[in-house]
Amino acid sequence: DGGITQSPKYLFRKEGQNVTLSCEQNLNHDAMYWYRQDPGQGLRLIYYSQIVNDFQKGDIAEGYSVSREKKESFPLTVTSAQKNPTAFYLCASSPRGRMQETQYFGPGTRLLVL
Amino acid sequence: GQQLNQSPQSMFIQEGEDVSMNCTSSSIFNTWLWYKQDPGEGPVLLIALYKAGELTSNGRLTAQFGITRKDSFLNISASIPSDVGIYFCAGQLGGATNKLIFGTGTLLAVQP
Repeated sequence: DGGITQSPKYLFRKEGQNVTLSCEQNLNHDAMYWYRQDPGQGLRLIYYSQIVNDFQKGDIAEGYSVSREKKESFPLTVTSAQKNPTAFYLCASSPRGRMQETQYFGPGTRLLVL
Repeated sequence: GQQLNQSPQSMFIQEGEDVSMNCTSSSIFNTWLWYKQDPGEGPVLLIALYKAGELTSNGRLTAQFGITRKDSFLNISASIPSDVGIYFCAGQLGGATNKLIFGTGTLLAVQP
């Protein structure tokens, strides 16, 4: 089946540690995105990539890093510099390299910092 | 970052009732999208709107792209318990700033 997968579904991290969240898509979409969702709030854009080997900062990129070495993969690293990392992280993709296209979401990863 | 004004924040209704929610913005959008999110899951696309004035249905759901391009509404008719969830609108700006802006969500609870 085509779709977007995120792993793991739940992730625990000790304060001060970096952690990497996985996002894979087999939809052959060019663009991929990472969002953060906090309780009672809408989605906020962390990073996005419109093409392999290229990515741009979103609204809340501080404390995060990404890479886009393959079209189907867009991992997000939450670094120790992120002061409030506990949140629900959502990955999305869209068919073309412009953000005008409809975005489709993965199931999300819930990160809890202990 | 910018967020859309979405209302109401929450709704508690009886099964069978119709529901209406809307989003407004001070900015003009090229695209309006409506998503539904179940607890602990990613948002699922319900309806996409691409032209001002467009009215689109998906089963019991109907959404419209406002004529001014600054608003959109979503109606759900004859609600059922599985309609429970959080509904998000999202608008796409045009021009140089071409990204998706999300509303804060409407929590819908349906009493059987």
